[in-house]
Amino acid sequence: DIQMTQSPSSLSASVGDRVIITCRASQSISSYLNWYQQKPGKAPKLLIYAASSLQSGVPSRFSGSGSGTDFTLIISSLQPEDFATYYCQQSYSTPHTFGQGTKLEIK
Amino acid sequence: EVQLLESGGGLVQPGGSLRLSCATSGFTFSSYAMSWVRQAPGKGLEWVSGISGSGGSTYYADSVKGRFTTSRDNSKNTLYVQMNSLRAEDTAIYYCAKASRASIAAAQIDYWGQGTLVTVSS
Repeated sequence: DIQMTQSPSSLSASVGDRVIITCRASQSISSYLNWYQQKPGKAPKLLIYAASSLQSGVPSRFSGSGSGTDFTLIISSLQPEDFATYYCQQSYSTPHTFGQGTKLEIK
Repeated sequence: EVQLLESGGGLVQPGGSLRLSCATSGFTFSSYAMSWVRQAPGKGLEWVSGISGSGGSTYYADSVKGRFTTSRDNSKNTLYVQMNSLRAEDTAIYYCAKASRASIAAAQIDYWGQGTLVTVSS
């Protein structure tokens, strides 16, 4: 199985900050990398698919990049509603494993 | 509007069985692969299983292989998972999830249900 490792596991930031979350795959997954946002008590929500494609309706302050084994999610200017947990997921091969999550908290 | 509604969760003893259902609407069910994803209390997301739009191909995480069986009824727009030989570590919220294409390969999850809680305990 492909292992997905996110860093950091948690992060404190302020409104207006630029935030970068990284995700590393244990082997090359081309660009088959997705990012999800989950708020407490809610189902996850798709933000980015295929490493860099923005899901419809997602604000443009979210962006993704990378290919192969190393990927990043960037939030250009944090908004209050962005404090949540973020997960990467590979869809290159089954099982479609998730990273362990990055909890983004208010500083 | 895409809607996914899970049901069938509850309390079950170790070694027991449970069948979850996911009733869907708002899209052409047979044209999309589906997945089950679970989340243990306070933990991260774990992809459990996937099934192609036709139902002809199924995929499982090693942690459930041989114990869980995912199926679908395209005439009823409903996804199922039969869970046998349940263990304490299967305790989680189980989410039904719609894939972005008919094949599970290279597909992202674009819609999620609200989840149903399965608790395995004596």
